[in-house]
Amino acid sequence: DTAVSQTPKYLVTQMGNDKSIKCEQNLGHDTMYWYKQDSKKFLKIMFSYNNKELIINETVPNRFSPKSPDKAHLNLHINSLELGDSAVYFCASSSTGTPNYGYTFGSGTRLTVV
Amino acid sequence: DQQVKQNSPSLSVQEGRISILNCDYTNSMFDYFLWYKKYPAEGPTFLISISSIKDKNEDGRFTVFLNKSAKHLSLHIVPSQPGDSAVYFCAASGGAGGSNYKLTFGKGTLLTVNP
Repeated sequence: DTAVSQTPKYLVTQMGNDKSIKCEQNLGHDTMYWYKQDSKKFLKIMFSYNNKELIINETVPNRFSPKSPDKAHLNLHINSLELGDSAVYFCASSSTGTPNYGYTFGSGTRLTVV
Repeated sequence: DQQVKQNSPSLSVQEGRISILNCDYTNSMFDYFLWYKKYPAEGPTFLISISSIKDKNEDGRFTVFLNKSAKHLSLHIVPSQPGDSAVYFCAASGGAGGSNYKLTFGKGTLLTVNP
């Protein structure tokens, strides 16, 4: 009964490849996010979507393209992968108007580009 | 430009004692502050939050204190238990331009509670 699930959990791929990470939430939340945790352990926002509309794109290279087919899904497609893309990517969701309840995060996807 | 700072990368305490984790911020427009707990290979888990109009919020063993004039907040865990050993992230939200749609995180503090 996972609230926010992302797949795959681990992804190892070569430079230049294209890959996707999928995220689904069953909490009925209207906002979803992608966060990146880099080697220095900072958790940084990449994108946020509210009711399938892009709200925040935090200066992410356009090789990263999020897609939200409905409010319960937010997928992340990455083109032409680079070594610097290696990180842990977390999907999260929340309800607008309840900032005090925080976000619910998925367990993360560890992407390694070789 | 780190708007949320956790200056202690690690903290070690004895079981049963108080753990105090600190966080400083620079953006006076933040209106909610949150603490998350993270175990290895898992996503962060929401722990407790506080609105900028309050100075204290308590939930069981966890209490968050906010000092707006000092732009400082702290998380107190009493009594500390070995299961509390994890990385604790301070986060903030609010401000203009869609800032309610993102959390800005600190770098985290690794808490180790020794039996």
